[in-house]
Amino acid sequence: EDKVVQSPLSLVVHEGDTVTLNCSYEVTNFRSLLWYKQEKKAPTFLFMLTSSGIEKKSGRLSSILDKKELSSILNITATQTGDSAIYLCAVDSIRGSTLGRLYFGRGTQLTVWP
Amino acid sequence: NAGVTQTPKFRVLKTGQSMTLLCAQDMNHEYMYWYRQDPGMGLRLIHYSVGEGTTAKGEVPDGYNVSRLKKQNFLLGLESAAPSQTSVYFCATSGGAPFVRYNEQFFGPGTRLTVL
Repeated sequence: EDKVVQSPLSLVVHEGDTVTLNCSYEVTNFRSLLWYKQEKKAPTFLFMLTSSGIEKKSGRLSSILDKKELSSILNITATQTGDSAIYLCAVDSIRGSTLGRLYFGRGTQLTVWP
Repeated sequence: NAGVTQTPKFRVLKTGQSMTLLCAQDMNHEYMYWYRQDPGMGLRLIHYSVGEGTTAKGEVPDGYNVSRLKKQNFLLGLESAAPSQTSVYFCATSGGAPFVRYNEQFFGPGTRLTVL
């Protein structure tokens, strides 16, 4: 059975701190790993990673994939209260002819205090 | 350009009642998905569709049925609601066509369902 595990499940920090969120996976026929941010409503897309060792960046957020270790990290530097959210990791894995099906982890609840 | 919309936003049912959740998209995406999200559980796939007229089971399909009669709509039905189906339901869509990122899913705003 395919698995996506995120850690920690919850994290509380103060504004200005740097955080690292982890995602590990065990899936057959891995294609890509995606990170989503979920505030009060729908998840919104952050990054998609397909190649090992290539960092994706968007402002204070960055992410990298390690295919050898079957894992990814999401870094947030100089955190702000607006970064408070659930961060979801998902893996795209092909089973048979099915495309586009994502396997989600349970998420990391990040709380940033002022 | 509304993207992905869900109807209704909130609903309270009594055990045994039935209802249908509607997902509509104007993105011309091929693939559509229904997820449920419970506290601490992430997103779990209920059913999905890879095109008009097709449906398939996800991780937690029991107690739910779906239909995709039109490309832009994906319906999720609960025939006899149970308290265990109290959850937030999200619809999502993705491209699916060649050279379109089929794995980047776009989510609707969610439906909060309570079954008493």
